[in-house]
Parts: sequence; structure tokens; C-alpha cells
Amino acid sequence: GENVEQHPSTLSVQEGDSAVIKCTYSDSASNYFPWYKQELGKGPQLIIDIRSNVGEKKDQRIAVTLNKTAKHFSLHITETQPEDSAVYFCAASMGDRDDKIIFGKGTRLHILP
Amino acid sequence: DAGVIQSPRHEVTEMGQEVTLRCKPISGHNSLFWYRQTMMRGLELLIYFNNNVPIDDSGMPEDRFSAKMPNASFSTLKIQPSEPRDSAVYFCASIRFQGHTDTQYFGPGTRLTVL
Repeated sequence: GENVEQHPSTLSVQEGDSAVIKCTYSDSASNYFPWYKQELGKGPQLIIDIRSNVGEKKDQRIAVTLNKTAKHFSLHITETQPEDSAVYFCAASMGDRDDKIIFGKGTRLHILP
Repeated sequence: DAGVIQSPRHEVTEMGQEVTLRCKPISGHNSLFWYRQTMMRGLELLIYFNNNVPIDDSGMPEDRFSAKMPNASFSTLKIQPSEPRDSAVYFCASIRFQGHTDTQYFGPGTRLTVL
């Protein structure tokens, strides 16, 4: 089955700097890659997603890139702000064949003042 | 929309007791997922349903865990008997699967503590 590896497990960046979180997946059939943000005491919430027919997607300060050949994808947060502090999860799914999503272990992002 | 609703939000019980967690998915969603989250193991998929039918329960840790979805608007996850190692946050999520995977909407979770 699909396996998603995520790193780093913890990341601290200065406010205003950029943060990058990287993930790899094992099953080349995966074609949907969402990213979730989990704040303390809450459930994960989708922040951005990308499908395998595109290589990059951007939404304001957040961008995701996908390299299908290498089977890895990344989340980029620019101009980080205190409210970006949270746990971020990457995930992969086979999209049109299955509604199951496999999550990475998460990255705890700390934005330092 | 009220989103995914879970109850209770917190549950403290003693080892050996039966625990029932409840979930109401978003109206119109046809797939429902139960996850368990711990520091050590992260977010684990326990079981998921499509159109009220269990599709994959390979993540259910053992026979002490069972899940049901009697109708499109309600699901339960039961642990009987509970053990301290079951202490975790349990999330329910739902999705409208229309031939391609889309956003999973998570509930607020139930924090379970087994003493």
C-alpha cells in the first residue's frame, strides 16, 4: 500500500522567513496530494491540495510543488506569521480509484518572534 | 453547514469499560472515516465507510474495536473493553466521493483517556 514520509518532524523559522516541508510517496498511482493544518485542540483542516496533472499550485503565501518522477511534493510558506504555527500534514491518495487518504507523520512548525 | 459533529469531546473512563464515540458527517457526504491520533503513531486510519458500507477496516487495532454506520448521518466507534493504550484523540472525517478524491472534512475530535 501507499506510504508517505514527511520531514522534518519539527521546524522553527523566524517570523517573516520561509518554511519548507517535504514529503515523498511510494505508490506511483497516487494522484491527489492534500496538505492539512492542525491547530491545537482542533481537527486537521485542508489548506491546499494538488493533483498530479499540475506541477505547482499557489494560494497567497502558500504554494505546493509536485515532482511525479521523483515521487515527492513540498509545501512552501512565505512571509511566515505567528498564526502559521501549527502541525502540518501531507497526504496522498489514488484519487479516482479510492477515497482513502494516507497521511504523513506531521511537521510541527514554530514561528519565532 | 455545522460541519462534522463528534461527541463526546472528552471522555475519561476506567480500564475495562465500554466506550462509544459518535459522529455525524456533513449532510450529503457519502464517505466517512475514523482516525486515531497519538504522539507516537501520528494520524492512523482505523476504518472507512462508503455509502454506509465498511470498505477498509485494516487499521482497526484488534477485536476490541468495532464501528458501525447504520445510516448516512450517523456512525459509532466502540471500544470494549477499553485499555490505557487506547488513550488518544479520535477523529471522524467525511467526504463527498464523486469518482475522485476530494477534501476530507474533519470533526473536532474526541479526546479519550483510559485510566
